[in-house]
Amino acid sequence: EDKVVQSPLSLVVHEGDTVTLNCSYEVTNFRSLLWYKQEKKAPTFLFMLTSSGIEKKSGRLSSILDKKELFSILNITATQTGDSAIYLCAVEARGTYKYIFGTGTRLKVLA
Amino acid sequence: DAGVTQSPTHLIKTRGQQVTLRCSPKSGHDTVSWYQQALGQGPQFIFQYYEEEERQRGNFPDRFSGHQFPNYSSELNVNALLLGDSALYLCASSKWVLTGVNQPQHFGDGTRLSIL
Repeated sequence: EDKVVQSPLSLVVHEGDTVTLNCSYEVTNFRSLLWYKQEKKAPTFLFMLTSSGIEKKSGRLSSILDKKELFSILNITATQTGDSAIYLCAVEARGTYKYIFGTGTRLKVLA
Repeated sequence: DAGVTQSPTHLIKTRGQQVTLRCSPKSGHDTVSWYQQALGQGPQFIFQYYEEEERQRGNFPDRFSGHQFPNYSSELNVNALLLGDSALYLCASSKWVLTGVNQPQHFGDGTRLSIL
């Protein structure tokens, strides 16, 4: 059965810290892996990764995919209180139209 | 440019009732997916609509049904509501691409459904 596992489940850090969130997956016919940030309501898109070893970067956030070891990491540097949210990892398989989500990592950044 | 919009934002129902949730996709998108997100869990795929047809369905009973209209908007209907149906229902839209990499799905704010 296809599955996505995220770790840690929750994390509390102080402003300025760097965090690394993990996502491992088992899926038949992998197509892409996506990261979303969910604050109160709508998950907002961060990154889509399809190729191994190519880092995607947006400001203080970056992500990379390892298709051999079946995992991805999301890094956030110089964290701010506005980074407090649930970070969701999802995987899409070829031949399907659905995203399979992990349970998310709840990040809290203290001032 | 309006994003994905969902209505209503909150809904309270009792067991056995029926509910209809609505979704308007982001401008330019033609595909609508519905997800159920229980508290503390990631979203679970219910089904996806494209060209007014249900294209794929997740592991949800027939009590969950949907519809897509010619303007690409969509409805999710749930019959015979159970306490376990209490959740955030998220709609996501995207533009279908025949070849190459699919575009990421964009989510609405969801409808919070509470069953008493």
